[in-house]
Amino acid sequence: TQLLEQSPQFLSIQEGENLTVYCNSSSVFSSLQWYRQEPGEGPVLLVTVVTGGEVKKLKRLTFQFGDARKDSSLHITAAQPGDTGLYLCADGRHTDKLIFGTGTRLQVFP
Amino acid sequence: DVKVTQSSRYLVKRTGEKVFLECVQDMDHENMFWYRQDPGLGLRLIYFSYDVKMKEKGDIPEGYSVSREKKERFSLILESASTNQTSMYLCASRLGGRYNSPLHFGNGTRLTVT
Repeated sequence: TQLLEQSPQFLSIQEGENLTVYCNSSSVFSSLQWYRQEPGEGPVLLVTVVTGGEVKKLKRLTFQFGDARKDSSLHITAAQPGDTGLYLCADGRHTDKLIFGTGTRLQVFP
Repeated sequence: DVKVTQSSRYLVKRTGEKVFLECVQDMDHENMFWYRQDPGLGLRLIYFSYDVKMKEKGDIPEGYSVSREKKERFSLILESASTNQTSMYLCASRLGGRYNSPLHFGNGTRLTVT
């Protein structure tokens, strides 16, 4: 079973700090989706990136897809307690199922 | 909005019991999935279904079976529950045949097998 590697596994920061989390694979992604899972809920899609070098912004979240499409990063500016959750990347290389990463658990303290 | 509903948030079952986890979606999605989520292991695919009465094994199908008799409903069955099946189970659906269509998840069923 192939898993995508995400780092760090855990991140605990104060409100207002910036942070970056990473998603890496030994194989080329066909496309990459980022999900956020809040406590007690299922994951919710944040963004899909498809093209190498692509950058997408969602308010304070910036998603980047590596030029070689083997890695991706998620940068959060001025983190807020509402950003707390589990961040998951998912590889869409199969048209009918997704392969998920191991996740980064983020805790933002007020 | 798509709604995926899992019938139970918490379940406690005994070893050897037959367990049914039910999932219903209301958006006429062709594809449905069952994942289990364990700390440090991410989401692992158990089974998925392309359409009614169709099913495919995922990465960890051992000890599980599924049923999809109607398009909106996808059931996960633990034939004889074991303690190593204690986990969070997540159901999801998505539009079929559309590259990059997002998964829509239910809120999960936390199963404890004692």
